[in-house]
Amino acid sequence: QQQVKQSPQSLIVQKGGISIINCAYENTAFDYFPWYQQFPGKGPALLIAIRPDVSEKKEGRFTISFNKSAKQFSLHIMDSQPGDSATYFCAAAGKSTFGDGTTLTVKP
Amino acid sequence: GAGVSQTPSNKVTEKGKYVELRCDPISGHTALYWYRQSLGQGPEFLIYFQGTGAADDSGLPNDRFFAVRPEGSVSTLKIQRTERGDSAVYLCASSLDRHDEQFFGPGTRLTVL
Repeated sequence: QQQVKQSPQSLIVQKGGISIINCAYENTAFDYFPWYQQFPGKGPALLIAIRPDVSEKKEGRFTISFNKSAKQFSLHIMDSQPGDSATYFCAAAGKSTFGDGTTLTVKP
Repeated sequence: GAGVSQTPSNKVTEKGKYVELRCDPISGHTALYWYRQSLGQGPEFLIYFQGTGAADDSGLPNDRFFAVRPEGSVSTLKIQRTERGDSAVYLCASSLDRHDEQFFGPGTRLTVL
């Protein structure tokens, strides 16, 4: 049973566009929702994270929107750049459960 | 500043052999995690240490997998009687405490022939 479902599997965006990745979770006990960025051959790196007591968190070009009642959260990347091309994972803690990832390609 | 390091970076072994994968966490981090990542998938939780003790080993797939962290710092993931299905990237992460940001190492790519 997959506890965190992520979509889309892959995403192609033009430079300057908005990239949106969605995640849905099942376990209401989850209390911490991070997004990770992973480049080939590297381990994941924390991008931004949110706790369920807030509905939105913004850090630079990256925003998490959180909908507790729908058990969904999403990552928005504004003004997407070619350097943002990577695989993105949503996760839910306490059990460090990851989604299957979204491969983002930003075309110049 | 030193991050999380993992050795070896690559390990090729034969089916049935025993392997050990090492993780050096960031100094002072009390929490340490092991994950397994297969191609095209997200990291799969294996085990979590708080200090020297395994606080949650519910992700270990079977009794061929075992991990230790005897002094609360370096950890070793041990796999007995390796199978081809064990081939994956094994990731280690550490954090200051349980719900703090996890810092990942580069992983060990294990290939079982």
